[in-house]
Amino acid sequence: EIVLTQSPGILSLSPGESATLSCRTSQSVNNFYLSWYQQRPGHPPRLLLYGASTRATGIPDRFSGSGSGTDFTLTISRLEPDDFAVYYCQHYGVSRYTFGPGTKLEIK
Amino acid sequence: EVKLVESGGGLVQPGRSLRLSCEGSGFSFDDHAMQWVRQAPGKGLEWISSLSWNSLSATYADSVKGRFTTSRDNAKNSLYLHMNSLRVEDTALYYCAKDYGGRALDVWGQGTLVTVSS
Repeated sequence: EIVLTQSPGILSLSPGESATLSCRTSQSVNNFYLSWYQQRPGHPPRLLLYGASTRATGIPDRFSGSGSGTDFTLTISRLEPDDFAVYYCQHYGVSRYTFGPGTKLEIK
Repeated sequence: EVKLVESGGGLVQPGRSLRLSCEGSGFSFDDHAMQWVRQAPGKGLEWISSLSWNSLSATYADSVKGRFTTSRDNAKNSLYLHMNSLRVEDTALYYCAKDYGGRALDVWGQGTLVTVSS
């Protein structure tokens, strides 16, 4: 079973800055099956990126993803107030989905 | 508009059963696998079940295997989660989600809250 670890647990930044969120998998995975989600308080998760780097419909290009093997990164440039939320990485494999524990991006 | 709407949540005693429903609209429901994901209060996301478009393949997280069953009625654009032998630790907001090509979940409902308590 693949385990996902995210760091940092909490990231404090100011609007206008850039955020770098990390997701590490316990074994090498195919980029195709690595996704990122955003969850604002009181809302369901929203798909941001799939295939590690492809933006979902309607997601601005301030959100970008990279990585391969066991290390993946979500970068958010020019932070806006609505970006402060919890971010989850997720992997699909063997007919099941696994989520990371999340990174909370908070306003400094 | 592509939409998923869950219903059926509520307060239930430990050991009892509950059935959740999820109705899809705005897309070809029978073309897609569907998922259930839950979120305990203040916690992260936990995938719990997957069901193929034709109901031939269902998978479950170890935490619910043997107690929960997922089914669907494509004629009604609906997905169901049958929950038996409920435990306090099953208390959570339950989301249904549309599978995107077996790699991501691209549409989510607003969730339905299940509280298991005596």
